[in-house]
Parts: sequence; structure tokens; C-alpha cells
Amino acid sequence: KAGVTQTPRYLIKTRGQQVTLSCSPISGHRSVSWYQQTPGQGLQFLFEYFSETQRNKGNFPGRFSGRQFSNSRSEMNVSTLELGDSALYLCASIRGDTFGSGTRLTVV
Amino acid sequence: ILNVEQSPQSLHVQEGDSTNFTCSFPSSNFYALHWYRWETAKSPEALFVMTLNGDEKKKGRISATLNTKEGYSYLYIKGSQPEDSATYLCAYPSGGSYIPTFGRGTSLIVHP
Repeated sequence: KAGVTQTPRYLIKTRGQQVTLSCSPISGHRSVSWYQQTPGQGLQFLFEYFSETQRNKGNFPGRFSGRQFSNSRSEMNVSTLELGDSALYLCASIRGDTFGSGTRLTVV
Repeated sequence: ILNVEQSPQSLHVQEGDSTNFTCSFPSSNFYALHWYRWETAKSPEALFVMTLNGDEKKKGRISATLNTKEGYSYLYIKGSQPEDSATYLCAYPSGGSYIPTFGRGTSLIVHP
């Protein structure tokens, strides 16, 4: 079966811009969770979606938002990018059961 | 903010050595404890989900134990191999809402 697919793999954005990342969970899985990994903070939980509804949210500012579509694909959006948003963004199926390869975001 | 501590921060062992490391978490309101292996340039790989006090799980040469009363879990690797080199993370989603707090990980390097 196909794994968790994240696109794009790499992204470079300028401060103040916004960015949208995409995640498709394993076929048939309805739960998607998002995480941010930085050298300073380690791996942190962003939010979780289940059947198009946000089920849980971590301690991140409102600039970080997400949504899930009826086919379970999820998008994460970060508005007004800051340098500190440079990170590896991971998504996972079923609460961390299987992770995608991640999107490496660099904000310059 | 929950405190999830992992020790040691890093570990260098020789091939064939057995090793273990610790994840400490708040003992109240326990829900589950996850262990992951994260190799460089790869995605985190789920190893174990521990849910019951006294749980012991095994996957090949890797095993884990859980003590929810005192708030710790041990991960053991028997006969370490170079391919075991990775960062081992634990994650603690407290009861009530599934918001996992991750430890900073133990970086294991196994020298041939």
C-alpha cells in the first residue's frame, strides 16, 4: 500500500509570505496529524484532523492552520512567515503510526 | 506543558554491545507512551505503543518496558548493530486530549 505522501519535499520562502503544505495519508486512513521539527525545540505536535474536523491542536500561533478534505488529504498553511518557521514539517497517519518524508521549509 | 525527559542525550557503543535508555513522563493521567526510531534522512518509524503498566513489548532485538506508576519507560537494544544507529524518541500523549509531547531523543551511534 502507498505510504504517507507529503509535497513538496523542499520549499524556500521569504519572510512575510505564506505557504501551504500537503499531506495524503495512507489510503483508508482518516486521521492526519502534523508536526514541526526544529533543532531548538525538537519535534512538536501542531494539530490533528479526523474526518475533516480538527480534533486537537498544539501550542502554536494562529498563523498555523490546517484543513482536511473529504478524501482525507490535509493541507497545512502558515501565513506571514517568520525566520523561526524554518523547519521540517512532518505529517503522519493515525496519530503517528506512519510518517511521511516531510517538507523542509526554509524561510529567508 | 508536560515534561518528557529522555536520557542519555547521546550514546556511543560498540557493535555487539547491549544498551538501554530511559524516557520519563508525568505519572498522573497516563494514556499511552510511544517509542520511535528516527534515522538520519528518513522519517520517524513507530516502534512501540505502550499502554498498560508492566507492559513489555519486543521487536527483534529491541524491547521496551513501561512503569506508569513511577513514570518511566526503558528501551533496550540487545547486541547493537551499526544499522541501529538512530535517534530514539518517546512521545507522551496525556489523557484527556491527544496532544503528544515528545522527548528530545537519545542519539545512538553503534561503531563497527
